Amino acid sequence: AQSVTQLDSQVPVFEEAPVELRCNYSSSVSVYLFWYVQYPNQGLQLLLKYLSGSTLVKGINGFEAEFNKSQTSFHLRKPSVHISDTAEYFCAVSHRGKGAQKLVFGQGTRLTINP
Amino acid sequence: DAGITQSPRYKITETGRQVTLMCHQTWSHSYMFWYRQDLGHGLRLIYYSAAADITDKGEVPDGYVVSRSKTENFPLTLESATRSQTSVYFCASSGRQGQNTIYFGEGSWLTVV
Repeated sequence: AQSVTQLDSQVPVFEEAPVELRCNYSSSVSVYLFWYVQYPNQGLQLLLKYLSGSTLVKGINGFEAEFNKSQTSFHLRKPSVHISDTAEYFCAVSHRGKGAQKLVFGQGTRLTINP
Repeated sequence: DAGITQSPRYKITETGRQVTLMCHQTWSHSYMFWYRQDLGHGLRLIYYSAAADITDKGEVPDGYVVSRSKTENFPLTLESATRSQTSVYFCASSGRQGQNTIYFGEGSWLTVV
């Protein structure tokens, strides 16, 4: 079974500052990794995903994440945030092969951007 | 492009009543899912379906029933609602195996009083 731990429940940052949202996972098999964003009162939207290949993955809205297999991490970064990035961010994992469609989510990190 | 729609978006019901949350997708996706979102727990999988007439339990299936007679619909029924089922419910869908992007509906807010 897989599990995901998002190390920060809340992250406040100032506008135009860099941000990193941390995600660690646990799995006995190879995995796919995802970051989703949830804006207030909306569903989840895919930011980026790692399936294979380059460990640095670029997503929408200027976000990127790096897969680190040895540290079982998939941290999300953005060099300069905007007020519009205020949202909740979820890291998720699924295992490769049969059942790959089932996602296991972390608890979420609430990103608050202050002017 | 209608995508994936959920209804009702907001519902208040009483303990013991039966409630059905509807989910409809227009992409002909094979896979459909129901998640619940609770503070401190993130999203947890209730049930999923790989195709019409194929359903399976997720992490927290107790108290819920699903069916999938048509590819595009995946209703979730709470047979006898309890206060612990107060939550936000998200339906999601995904295409064929290997196409791993899962698309979410906008959620159904359910309060059980």
